[in-house]
Amino acid sequence: DTAVSQTPKYLVTQMGNDKSIKCEQNLGHDTMYWYKQDSKKFLKIMFSYNNKELIINETVPNRFSPKSPDKAHLNLHINSLELGDSAVYFCASSPHNLWGAYQVIAKNIQYFGAGTRLSVL
Amino acid sequence: AQKITQTQPGMFVQEKEAVTLDCTYDTSDPSYGLFWYKQPSSGEMIFLIYQGSYDQQNATEGRYSLNFQKARKSANLVISASQLGDSAMYFCAMREDGGTSYGKLTFGQGTILTVHP
Repeated sequence: DTAVSQTPKYLVTQMGNDKSIKCEQNLGHDTMYWYKQDSKKFLKIMFSYNNKELIINETVPNRFSPKSPDKAHLNLHINSLELGDSAVYFCASSPHNLWGAYQVIAKNIQYFGAGTRLSVL
Repeated sequence: AQKITQTQPGMFVQEKEAVTLDCTYDTSDPSYGLFWYKQPSSGEMIFLIYQGSYDQQNATEGRYSLNFQKARKSANLVISASQLGDSAMYFCAMREDGGTSYGKLTFGQGTILTVHP
């Protein structure tokens, strides 16, 4: 069984279209993330949800809207697609999200999905 | 300033030899975690190894070990007995546990490792 699964794996679409990428994790994790990997392979956080609550929103255009119907799912909807949105989008999950006061944190490893390669023509 | 720096865009190693991939980091957080991920040509991101800032010993996972030098702020990945299947892109990443980081990972630029037979 795949721990973090994303669909679709490939997405080819025209500029201006709206598309969604789905992510599901069966690890029982509390926290889920979306990362974007650009053409130079650089990975950057976009969003994070902890128990369905948005906790990270990293200066992403508001054409991108994450939605978490429950803690096992985090979907990414993109409106009015632009050429620059072409990238690989990774979903990830981790057991917890602990922030605020310094704590000795357990490993809290983030496990990634296989990625969705989005091509905007 | 770059929080995670991988200075080697590409590395070559002979099969069965050991190789070290460099990673330096920058943080003022006393509590943080350092991670290495492997991205083969198929594209998935595979977790390899973790080192916590408070861990006294260097992490090891099978053929992977992390050479953690806290004072120098370096977290180099050592792969022993390289195999052809180790050819991939390798990413170093850091999670800062305080402030407003909220658990996100900050990644380095990556190093492409090629293992020659």
